[in-house]
Amino acid sequence: SQKIEQNSEALNIQEGKTATLTCNYTNYSPAYLQWYRQDPGRGPVFLLLIRENEKEKRKERLKVTFDTTLKQSLFHITASQPADSATYLCALGSGGYQKVTFGTGTKLQVIP
Amino acid sequence: DAGVIQSPRHEVTEMGQEVTLRCKPISGHNSLFWYRQTMMRGLELLIYFNNNVPIDDSGMPEDRFSAKMPNASFSTLKIQPSEPRDSAVYFCASSYGQGSGEQYFGPGTRLTVT
Repeated sequence: SQKIEQNSEALNIQEGKTATLTCNYTNYSPAYLQWYRQDPGRGPVFLLLIRENEKEKRKERLKVTFDTTLKQSLFHITASQPADSATYLCALGSGGYQKVTFGTGTKLQVIP
Repeated sequence: DAGVIQSPRHEVTEMGQEVTLRCKPISGHNSLFWYRQTMMRGLELLIYFNNNVPIDDSGMPEDRFSAKMPNASFSTLKIQPSEPRDSAVYFCASSYGQGSGEQYFGPGTRLTVT
């Protein structure tokens, strides 16, 4: 069966450092991958999209990589700030009607 | 735009009662999604609609759950009868177009069934 794994352990990082979150998948051939941010008590908010034929995408302090051979995406936040503390979810899609499957998320804590 | 609107924000009900959750998607969006989020299972897709038509309801857990989208600006998710294991946060999301479009989520409804 399809499986999407994100580090279930919380990630604690010092302010100013680069945070790196992973999203691994098995038994899946996604056409694209999305990353969302979720704050407590709120719905997820879209951050970045990367397609299967793209290796890397950047947006301000965010960078996403997509390796279809390793079946893995890495999500980087450079110069991390306490305001970046949240849970980050990856979501995989196969095209069509925008249906995606979400990972369980990784909680990031940036320590001042 | 006000974003995706969900009501109620919180619902506490007793086992066996009917629960109706409501969603108003962003105007102009043609896809609508209902999700359930729990600590144990994460964010699960229950059903999604495209142009008001249900496309995939394979995530609906059982016959106690039903969803409708009578028009482009309104959808409901109904649980009848409710059970304690239905306690979760239910999110509605909408998106535009086809393919890899980003989804816009509502604030969620926190359901507690006692």
